[in-house]
Amino acid sequence: DTGVSQNPRHKITKRGQNVTFRCDPISEHNRLYWYRQTLGQGPEFLTYFQNEAQLEKSRLLSDRFSAERPKGSFSTLEIQRTEQGDSAMYLCASSLGGRLNTEAFFGQGTRLTVV
Amino acid sequence: GDSVTQMEGPVTLSEEAFLTINCTYTATGYPSLFWYVQYPGEGLQLLLKATKADDKGSNKGFEATYRKETTSFHLEKGSVQVSDSAVYFCALTQGGKLIFGQGTELSVKP
Repeated sequence: DTGVSQNPRHKITKRGQNVTFRCDPISEHNRLYWYRQTLGQGPEFLTYFQNEAQLEKSRLLSDRFSAERPKGSFSTLEIQRTEQGDSAMYLCASSLGGRLNTEAFFGQGTRLTVV
Repeated sequence: GDSVTQMEGPVTLSEEAFLTINCTYTATGYPSLFWYVQYPGEGLQLLLKATKADDKGSNKGFEATYRKETTSFHLEKGSVQVSDSAVYFCALTQGGKLIFGQGTELSVKP
């Protein structure tokens, strides 16, 4: 399978714990995006990378959230001290090139439940 | 800031009915416009796109025309099938990222 891969697919955690998600983009894609989606809403932008550089981070994003993309390949999204409001589907996408006229390919997401 | 507004769902249609899902946007500059579709249990997939005013995107029988004068990008299909049941998202580009609408759920009954 050469699509965008996200792991784990599901994560249940207790409030206050830290969680980390991984995204493996399509191998030749230099752009990688993280989005969050709650029930009945569209994906909400969190951050994106071009190669290993984090180019933009949403102002809505708490400083409990951090993302990395070492070596410009896979990416991780970490949430520290999780809260119940963090429960959502976390989506990763990748694209080729610097312009979004090219297609962004999405993974199937990681569903986080904070109890 | 830039934003996308879609008609609220769910939309329920009978097979072979005509579909319109309204999408309007607010943007500075000249964004590209997209429709993405999310089938049950699957990830978001690009359905069609338009990169400038008056462009028409089309795919799988779906069409949408980039209307700058009305800031709209309505999705249409002449005859829907049960297999079209999904959630449809309108989106635009802002800088280096996509901004999505809230999604419209479509349910097609046989």
